[in-house]
Amino acid sequence: AQTVTQSQPEMSVQEAETVTLSCTYDTSESDYYLFWYKQPPSRQMILVIRQEAYKQQNATENRFSVNFQKAAKSFSLKISDSQLGDAAMYFCAYSLSGNLNAGNMLTFGGGTRLMVKP
Amino acid sequence: DTGVSQNPRHKITKRGQNVTFRCDPISEHNRLYWYRQTLGQGPEFLTYFQNEAQLEKSRLLSDRFSAERPKGSFSTLEIQRTEQGDSAMYLCASSLGQGSYEQYFGPGTRLTVT
Repeated sequence: AQTVTQSQPEMSVQEAETVTLSCTYDTSESDYYLFWYKQPPSRQMILVIRQEAYKQQNATENRFSVNFQKAAKSFSLKISDSQLGDAAMYFCAYSLSGNLNAGNMLTFGGGTRLMVKP
Repeated sequence: DTGVSQNPRHKITKRGQNVTFRCDPISEHNRLYWYRQTLGQGPEFLTYFQNEAQLEKSRLLSDRFSAERPKGSFSTLEIQRTEQGDSAMYLCASSLGQGSYEQYFGPGTRLTVT
């Protein structure tokens, strides 16, 4: 079974600074997806960034980027120029890659609460 | 497109009662997922549908839980004889399916069993 671990229950960052959230996972599969989801307080979960395991290039979405280390099974999220609106729970998640029969259900880590100080 | 909606947003019930939640996915999304999230934890997969067919169920889904997706549109999740341990946020997500990996989440239904 696949597992996802987030070792940082809470992180804090000063506004405009950079912060990195850690995630490790365990799988015997070679083809899968990794995601970072953001869950603001009392609001729905939204996808921040995704990474396909077959791609060597790290994904980037504006201020968000990942460091994907497949051999180490590590998938960290870097948030640059942190903003007050970035304060939320962040979840790392894994799913098998898509094929006709795979359900692509997500396996989530326990989350990291990010606080942004003005 | 208004996104994934869930009703009710909050439900308080007494132990032993039955409750039913509804999820309306994004239109034309073939796949619909149910997850459960307890306080301070990440969501855990419960079950998913491809159109109207329920294709996989987690071991978390005891026989007191039943989910349906008639006609492949909205879905309902029913919990019979609720227990205090059922208190959680129940999240619904939908995706286009078959090669489309992005899941769009609804706001959730928070269940409190007293």
